[in-house]
Amino acid sequence: SQQGEEDPQALSIQEGENATMNCSYKTSINNLQWYRQNSGRGLVHLILIRSNEREKHSGRLRVTLDTSKKSSSLLITASRAADTASYFCATDRMNSGYSTLTFGKGTMLLVSP
Amino acid sequence: GAVVSQHPSRVICKSGTSVKIECRSLDFQATTMFWYRQFPKQSLMLMATSNEGSKATYEQGVEKDKFLINHASLTLSTLTVTSAHPEDSSFYICSARDLSAPYLNEQFFGPGTRLTVL
Repeated sequence: SQQGEEDPQALSIQEGENATMNCSYKTSINNLQWYRQNSGRGLVHLILIRSNEREKHSGRLRVTLDTSKKSSSLLITASRAADTASYFCATDRMNSGYSTLTFGKGTMLLVSP
Repeated sequence: GAVVSQHPSRVICKSGTSVKIECRSLDFQATTMFWYRQFPKQSLMLMATSNEGSKATYEQGVEKDKFLINHASLTLSTLTVTSAHPEDSSFYICSARDLSAPYLNEQFFGPGTRLTVL
């Protein structure tokens, strides 16, 4: 079953603006990860935040995690047209003895020049 | 480093035939590989977890006799879609964990294989 739910499902902004995507989940997690996928391509790992962390930065990316609310957000600052892609959150949890990722439905981000 | 390849990248086959997709970790060893499928504009759904030298663990609702997984070495896992039908048309993606750095909890994804069954 789907663990993560992202919102919005689609986001359209202008270059230079910030883009914020949210992710909610239902069960306890080891960590939460954000991935990017260009149309018809594989996934690119963006950032991992552990369950005991609250905020993490990587370049123009900022991720927050609120385990009490079971939610996370991904902020892309000063967006560029090249940031156009789908963004997925994925929760990492133990499942039958294995650590597995469960992906959310994703947010399609369109950045217009 | 940490590159995962898939072959083929695209495959078109006739209904009833079987298709094999390979997933390789190129510069690291992976005891565990994962197979996902993704329908257009939808999320990735985990199909099965593949462990080197043992049987794969399938997710609920995934037919193990239809999606045969073999993980023969620390760098290769294969997914065979048997007796493929048009509803099996999808984007299949594999991923692998780096055995040398399991604490990183990061999966490295292949570029995906687009399967079209006519």
